[in-house]
Amino acid sequence: AQTVTQSQPEMSVQEAETVTLSCTYDTSESDYYLFWYKQPPSRQMILVIRQEAYKQQNATENRFSVNFQKAAKSFSLKISDSQLGDAAMYFCAYKQGGSEKLVFGKGTKLTVNP
Amino acid sequence: ETGVTQTPRHLVMGMTNKKSLKCEQHLGHNAMYWYKQSAKKPLELMFVYSLEERVENNSVPSRFSPECPNSSHLFLHLHTLQPEDSALYLCASSQEGRGEKLFFGSGTQLSVL
Repeated sequence: AQTVTQSQPEMSVQEAETVTLSCTYDTSESDYYLFWYKQPPSRQMILVIRQEAYKQQNATENRFSVNFQKAAKSFSLKISDSQLGDAAMYFCAYKQGGSEKLVFGKGTKLTVNP
Repeated sequence: ETGVTQTPRHLVMGMTNKKSLKCEQHLGHNAMYWYKQSAKKPLELMFVYSLEERVENNSVPSRFSPECPNSSHLFLHLHTLQPEDSALYLCASSQEGRGEKLFFGSGTQLSVL
């Protein structure tokens, strides 16, 4: 079974600084997708960024980028120029190609200090 | 407005009660999901409906009963729950396909007394 591990239960960053959240996953499949979701206090999970495993290029969405290391099965999220609104729980997730099942890690709580 | 609406936002029920959680999506998606979010645990997939047919039942106890009458609505019927069932229940929808992202509602915070 696929598993997703987030080794940092909590992280903090100063406003305007850069922070990196770690994620590793375990799979024997070659066709899969990886996601980072954000869950603010409003509780709604919001997609931050998505990566197809077959793409070597790292996904980027404005201030958010990933470092996808397929051989190492690592998928870290970098947040640049951190803002107060970035404070939330961040979840890494895995989806096997052809499956409807999204597997989540336990999450990392990010605090942004003014 | 996120496109996925869940009601009620909060629910407190006794172990002998029967209640239902409702989810509605306005995105034209054809797959809907129930997830359970407990403290300090990963989100757990409970059920998946694709084209109104249940395609995944992740070993969920029978005291949870899903219903998907059409592609826009999803219910979770609850009866004789246990205190350990207290959690945030999240509904999501997606367009069925490879690697399509999920859109989530804000969840129902359930407390079982």
